[in-house]
Amino acid sequence: AQTVTQSQPEMSVQEAETVTLSCTYDTSENNYYLFWYKQPPSRQMILVIRQEAYKQQNATENRFSVNFQKAAKSFSLKISDSQLGDTAMYFCAFMDTGRRALTFGSGTRLQVQP
Amino acid sequence: DVKVTQSSRYLVKRTGEKVFLECVQDMDHENMFWYRQDPGLGLRLIYFSYDVKMKEKGDIPEGYSVSREKKERFSLILESASTNQTSMYLCASSPRSTEAFFGQGTRLTVV
Repeated sequence: AQTVTQSQPEMSVQEAETVTLSCTYDTSENNYYLFWYKQPPSRQMILVIRQEAYKQQNATENRFSVNFQKAAKSFSLKISDSQLGDTAMYFCAFMDTGRRALTFGSGTRLQVQP
Repeated sequence: DVKVTQSSRYLVKRTGEKVFLECVQDMDHENMFWYRQDPGLGLRLIYFSYDVKMKEKGDIPEGYSVSREKKERFSLILESASTNQTSMYLCASSPRSTEAFFGQGTRLTVV
């Protein structure tokens, strides 16, 4: 069974600064996907970024980028130029191509301070 | 835009009641999922479905059942609600092996 670990329950960052959220996972699969989802106080889960395991290049989406280390089974999220609207719970998630269901970490609560 | 709609944002039920949580998606997705979200535990998979009338147990199916009579609708059923089922319930759908799209969640309180 796959497991996803987020070791930082809470983090805080100043507006305009950069912050990195950590995620590690455990799997015996070779083909899979990794995701970061954001859940603001509205409770709506929003996809932030996605990474295919077969791609060596790290995914980027505007201010969001990942550091994907397949051998180390590590998938961290970097948020640059943090904004107040980035305040949310962030969940790392894993999906293997067979099961198609997401396995989530326990989440990191990020607070962006003005 | 993909829309996943859950029938209630907040629900309060009594212990022993039969509870139905409804979820509808409008994008013809094959896959649908039910998760529960608890503080410190993240989201845990209860049941999922790849097609009409089929269902698969997730990681915590005990005390729950599901129904998928139509492709767009996936219902979660608590046969006899208990206080330890007080939680946030999230429905999601996805087209094959790609990211899931979520509803806004139902916060269920069992008293």
